[in-house]
Amino acid sequence: GQQLNQSPQSMFIQEGEDVSMNCTSSSIFNTWLWYKQDPGEGPVLLIALYKAGELTSNGRLTAQFGITRKDSFLNISASIPSDVGIYFCAGQLYTNAGKSTFGDGTTLTVKP
Amino acid sequence: DGGITQSPKYLFRKEGQNVTLSCEQNLNHDAMYWYRQDPGQGLRLIYYSQIVNDFQKGDIAEGYSVSREKKESFPLTVTSAQKNPTAFYLCASSIGQGARYEQYFGPGTRLTVT
Repeated sequence: GQQLNQSPQSMFIQEGEDVSMNCTSSSIFNTWLWYKQDPGEGPVLLIALYKAGELTSNGRLTAQFGITRKDSFLNISASIPSDVGIYFCAGQLYTNAGKSTFGDGTTLTVKP
Repeated sequence: DGGITQSPKYLFRKEGQNVTLSCEQNLNHDAMYWYRQDPGQGLRLIYYSQIVNDFQKGDIAEGYSVSREKKESFPLTVTSAQKNPTAFYLCASSIGQGARYEQYFGPGTRLTVT
């Protein structure tokens, strides 16, 4: 099946810094999704992207659907302690009825 | 207050026993999914269902079974044939129309088999 490479695997940053993470695939997706998971909880949808080149914001979060359809980026500006968690990207194809392929996640640690 | 509920939060079983994990949604979503998550890894799809009385195997269906008798409910049974059942299990649902398949997750059930 399709594989997603998510990087970096982990990040340790200072409060107030900006964060960037990305996902790449060897094949295209029609939809890119970004989730955040707190320890012991289910992932929460942050941003959904439906069109190549699309740039979407949700508060301090901004995500982009790569123009090649094979990648996506998530940026977090001015990080705060509650940003701590695991961030997952997921890709979907129209033909797969909602089946998502997930990256392995980026673990974010924010030091106050 | 719409959402997805999974119960119980923690579940302990002895090896060789079947166990059923509950998943209920009141979002009126057509599609439902079960994922497995192991430490340090992403989510892997076990089974999914697009409509009532129909479901398909995901990437790691061996040792698992599901049913979809009602739109709101999608229980997962972890059978004794599953060789490594200890994991965090997540249920999700999506509207399932057009291109809008973004999934919303429940809080998860952590299953420990000894």
